[in-house]
Amino acid sequence: GQQVMQIPQYQHVQEGEDFTTYCNSSTTLSNIQWYKQRPGGHPVFLIQLVKSGEVKKQKRLTFQFGEAKKNSSLHITATQTTDVGTYFCAVRGSQGNLIFGKGTKLSVKP
Amino acid sequence: NAGVTQTPKFQVLKTGQSMTLQCAQDMNHNSMYWYRQDPGMGLRLIYYSASEGTTDKGEVPNGYNVSRLNKREFSLRLESAAPSQTSVYFCASSSLGRGTRTDTQYFGPGTRLTVL
Repeated sequence: GQQVMQIPQYQHVQEGEDFTTYCNSSTTLSNIQWYKQRPGGHPVFLIQLVKSGEVKKQKRLTFQFGEAKKNSSLHITATQTTDVGTYFCAVRGSQGNLIFGKGTKLSVKP
Repeated sequence: NAGVTQTPKFQVLKTGQSMTLQCAQDMNHNSMYWYRQDPGMGLRLIYYSASEGTTDKGEVPNGYNVSRLNKREFSLRLESAAPSQTSVYFCASSSLGRGTRTDTQYFGPGTRLTVL
């Protein structure tokens, strides 16, 4: 079935440093979604990418969808302590459900 | 709107006990989902319901049953709890219906279950 690999599993950064997490699929994706889960919280939708090569920005967050629609990345510029949490990508499964990557856990040292 | 609500927030069970996790959404969504989240494993789909009256198995359905009581409510039942079912359980809903594109999923606050 559909799977998506997400790397790295963990990332520790100093406040102010940049952060990037990547999702890769062996098959072409119709779209990809990104979610953020704060410690002790629940996943919250960030964005959906649909078009080949699409780039979307939300303040310090930049989301990219690869030209072949097989990979995606989330980049955070100048991390802040409020960015702490786990970031998940999610892709559509064969039955219309979402399949989540295992997530990248970001910790930010002040 | 409350969004997606789950009860209880915390639960401790003994091996072999049964319990039902409740989930309700007030967004008039067609689809509802149950996930479990374990450290290092991400979110794994247990069961989902694409519309009222239908349920389908996800990635890890063994040991669980579900009921789509009506459009708003989707419950998850553990008939005989096992320590391997210790996890955080999330319910989610989306407006996705059969034949439509994937839509945003809205998650409840989760139930933290420990099975001793």
